[in-house]
Amino acid sequence: QQPVQSPQAVILREGEDAVINCSSSKALYSVHWYRQKHGEAPVFLMILLKGGEQKGHDKISASFNEKKQQSSLYLTASQLSYSGTYFCGYVGAALIFGKGTTLSVSS
Amino acid sequence: DAGVIQSPRHEVTEMGQEVTLRCKPISGHDYLFWYRQTMMRGLELLIYFNNNVPIDDSGMPEDRFSAKMPNASFSTLKIQPSEPRDSAVYFCASSRDIYNSPLHFGNGTRLTVT
Repeated sequence: QQPVQSPQAVILREGEDAVINCSSSKALYSVHWYRQKHGEAPVFLMILLKGGEQKGHDKISASFNEKKQQSSLYLTASQLSYSGTYFCGYVGAALIFGKGTTLSVSS
Repeated sequence: DAGVIQSPRHEVTEMGQEVTLRCKPISGHDYLFWYRQTMMRGLELLIYFNNNVPIDDSGMPEDRFSAKMPNASFSTLKIQPSEPRDSAVYFCASSRDIYNSPLHFGNGTRLTVT
């Protein structure tokens, strides 16, 4: 069963913040986050393991609450280069992706 | 590191024809995944292999689809016969570990079945 991502789409101006949420009804081992630009392959952002950890990558960070089976991706002070579709992937028996959240950043 | 290599990049074929997609994973990666991407369904896992052995093929849509991994450096996804609804972008990805390691995606094959 696919993890559920919300919102489906976000429109931002440069410098604004956004949060993308991801939830699953199944027990999880870890969460992956990827970004895909139009016409390109998904590119890895980060992995979060059990333990409620948070990770950061430049101005993009994420959290994972395995009790609630939820993860969130935080994008702060967005840049034009952040535009794309963000996918969360949950690892249970295999890596299953959500349907994605399209982020559009304009100047 | 050359990355995951897929071929062809684009494939246009007529309904009923056989289609074979190819993938070369990154050397040393024990896991290989085939995904299909469409607007409606997003990124769907079709099948994955561990050490060349198929582990989970529950995502393969029907018997028209088959996948093989004869050795650690090569995998194929075959559709026979192809149908218009198979039109999609097919990605191959590899990783060292399904739990703790990132997936490295190939550039994908855009399949159009007319």
